[in-house]
Amino acid sequence: DTAVSQTPKYLVTQMGNDKSIKCEQNLGHDTMYWYKQDSKKFLKIMFSYNNKELIINETVPNRFSPKSPDKAHLNLHINSLELGDSAVYFCASRMGFSGANVLTFGAGSRLTVL
Amino acid sequence: EDKVVQSPLSLVVHEGDTVTLNCSYEVTNFRSLLWYKQEKKAPTFLFMLTSSGIEKKSGRLSSILDKKELFSILNITATQTGDSAIYLCAVDTGTASKLTFGTGTRLQVTL
Repeated sequence: DTAVSQTPKYLVTQMGNDKSIKCEQNLGHDTMYWYKQDSKKFLKIMFSYNNKELIINETVPNRFSPKSPDKAHLNLHINSLELGDSAVYFCASRMGFSGANVLTFGAGSRLTVL
Repeated sequence: EDKVVQSPLSLVVHEGDTVTLNCSYEVTNFRSLLWYKQEKKAPTFLFMLTSSGIEKKSGRLSSILDKKELFSILNITATQTGDSAIYLCAVDTGTASKLTFGTGTRLQVTL
C-alpha cells in the first residue's frame, strides 16, 4: 500500500498552460506539505496544511494555489506555467506538529515546462 | 532566515571506504535534526536527532548531533554501491513543523 501517493508522476506541458498535481495519504496524518525540488536537488517548502487549514505559505507566486478538500488530500494547481516551474514536486505528510513525528514523502511529480 | 548547509556537495568513494557527511545549521528555533536518503524518488527517513552527544545507529550508518556547535555528522562505514544516493539533512524549526533542508550531499560508491 502506498502511504503518500501523487499523480501524475510525470507531466510535460507548454508555457502558459494550467495544470494540477494531486496528493493523497492513507496514513491518517493531519498535516500535509508541498515541497519543490529544483535541478540542483534543493528541497524547498511551499505550503503546509493542517486539518484542511493553510499553515505555511512560503513566498510562492500566487499562480500556485493549494487546495485541501479533506485532511487526506492536498492538491496543487498551477496557473500560467513558466519555464522556471520545471522541477520535481513532492507531497509529504506527518501527524500533527510534534517534532517527534517524521515527514513521509510521496514519490514526486516531475513537471517539465517547454 | 533559517539556514542548513551540507558538505561536501558531492563525494566519490570506493566500496569499503568510510565516509563522513556534514550538516551545520543556523535556525531561530531548533526542535530536531533529520537525515534522509534520496535515491531515485522519495526521500526516505534515516535518523532523527534531538539531543546532543547521543549516537543513533542503524547497521553501517550512524549519526550524532552537537547542539552547542550546531552541526551533525552522518557516518557510513564499509560503503556499498547501494549507498549511492543524495543524503539530505533537515532541521525541524517548530514553526508549524517546517523542515528546512540543506542542499544535500551526493554520494557515489564505485566498485
